[in-house]
Amino acid sequence: NAGVTQTPKFRILKIGQSMTLQCAQDMNHNYMYWYRQDPGMGLKLIYYSVGAGITDKGEVPNGYNVSRSTTEDFPLRLELAAPSQTSVYFCASRNPDSFVDTQYFGPGTRLTVL
Amino acid sequence: AQSVTQLDSHVSVSEGTPVLLRCNYSSSYSPSLFWYVQHPNKGLQLLLKYTSAATLVKGINGFEAEFKKSETSFHLTKPSAHMSDAAEYFCVVSFQNTPLVFGKGTRLSVIA
Repeated sequence: NAGVTQTPKFRILKIGQSMTLQCAQDMNHNYMYWYRQDPGMGLKLIYYSVGAGITDKGEVPNGYNVSRSTTEDFPLRLELAAPSQTSVYFCASRNPDSFVDTQYFGPGTRLTVL
Repeated sequence: AQSVTQLDSHVSVSEGTPVLLRCNYSSSYSPSLFWYVQHPNKGLQLLLKYTSAATLVKGINGFEAEFKKSETSFHLTKPSAHMSDAAEYFCVVSFQNTPLVFGKGTRLSVIA
């Protein structure tokens, strides 16, 4: 299993540009999450999904959109990039029905908005 | 609402000495508690988790944590620090199927 994969690893955007951060998992997990990590801070939840076709806002959803058309993929969309969105973005997945119930993280995407 | 407080933003220890990273949580119900480690420019890796079984939880790389309900604490310890333990450590709380709530992290430095 590849686990949770994210692309790209790095990206520089200009203010006002848009982009999609890709996230995929091959563990057949129903739950998927997007977090952002700012320097000196823990991870903050942007959006999450409990299954295909179902998404919900987290703590910091403004400026982002998500979709979940398949179990495997959970892309994060930035429509009008702003400097405040400079951060490291982590995708994660989880199977809450598992006894282990562990959240698995991707390697992250480092985004800079100039 | 659930929350977690990591009491130290930075801990520095000498190689071979014990490690103690402190975490207190707030939860209305019996929580699940986790410790994750993040090495520089890497993703997060699960060290250990508590889910209402044994209160002393053993994790990878010699780490362990003890759940103390009376103190609402879940401190992370290791008897002897290794250089490779230098990283950022996150204490995390969750209840049932709610999203994880992260602490702000503790940066562990290990001095040779």
